[in-house]
Amino acid sequence: AIQMTQSPSSLSASVGDRVTITCRASQGIRNDLGWYQQKPGKAPKLLIYAASSLQSGVPSRFSGSGSGTDFTLTISSLQPEDFATYYCLQDYNYPPWTFGQGTKVEIK
Amino acid sequence: QITLKESGPTLVKPTQTLTLTCTFSGFSLSTSGVGVGWIRQPPGKALEWLALIYWNDDKRYSPSLKSRLTITKDTSKNQVVLTMTNMDPVDTATYYCAHRVTIFGVGRFDPWGQGTLVTVSS
Repeated sequence: AIQMTQSPSSLSASVGDRVTITCRASQGIRNDLGWYQQKPGKAPKLLIYAASSLQSGVPSRFSGSGSGTDFTLTISSLQPEDFATYYCLQDYNYPPWTFGQGTKVEIK
Repeated sequence: QITLKESGPTLVKPTQTLTLTCTFSGFSLSTSGVGVGWIRQPPGKALEWLALIYWNDDKRYSPSLKSRLTITKDTSKNQVVLTMTNMDPVDTATYYCAHRVTIFGVGRFDPWGQGTLVTVSS
C-alpha cells in the first residue's frame, strides 16, 4: 500500500498567516491526490482534488500543488473558520485508498 | 443535493458482527462511475478507508480487513450496507460513508455522511 506522510503533524498560526501543509507519497502517484478539511465533531470536507483543482464552493484562499510524490496545501490568508485538521488522500493505486495522518491547524 | 446518512448500533460487544447502513439521496447507485465508500476514524486518530462498492457491483476492500468486511447495495432503496465481523474494542470509531464519483478518470469522495460512532465494549 502507498504510504502518505504529512508534515507538520500540527502547527500554530494567526489569522491572516500564510499556511503550508505538505504531503509525501511513498511512491509516485501522478496528481491523484485530494485534500480534506475536518472540523471537530464533523465529517471531512473535500477541498482540493487532482492535486490542484478547487472543489466547487471552496474559498480561493485554498490552493494545492504538486505531482509525483510531493504535494502542498496552501492557505493564503488563514481565517478563523480554517482552524481544523487537514488530511491528504491518495487516489492513484487502490485498494486501499490511504490518508495521511493529518495536520492540525491551531490558533496561535 | 447529495446527502448520506449512516445508521446502526452505537454499542456492540466484542466478537459480535456490526451492520451499518448508509442511506443516501441526490444520486443513483446505478449511474456509471458512481460508488459509495466507507471510512472510519478512531477517537483522536486518522481516517482509515474500509470498503467501496461501485454502480456495477464491483467491490473493493481494505486488504488488512478484507476477511471481516462485506459491502452490499440495494439500489431500489438507495442504501449501502457494510458488515464487519468479529468486532474488537480497537474497532471503536466513527464510521462514515461517502459518495464516490469518477469523472474523466479523476475520482473523489464527496460529500460524506455525518458519521456514526460505534463503541465496542462488553
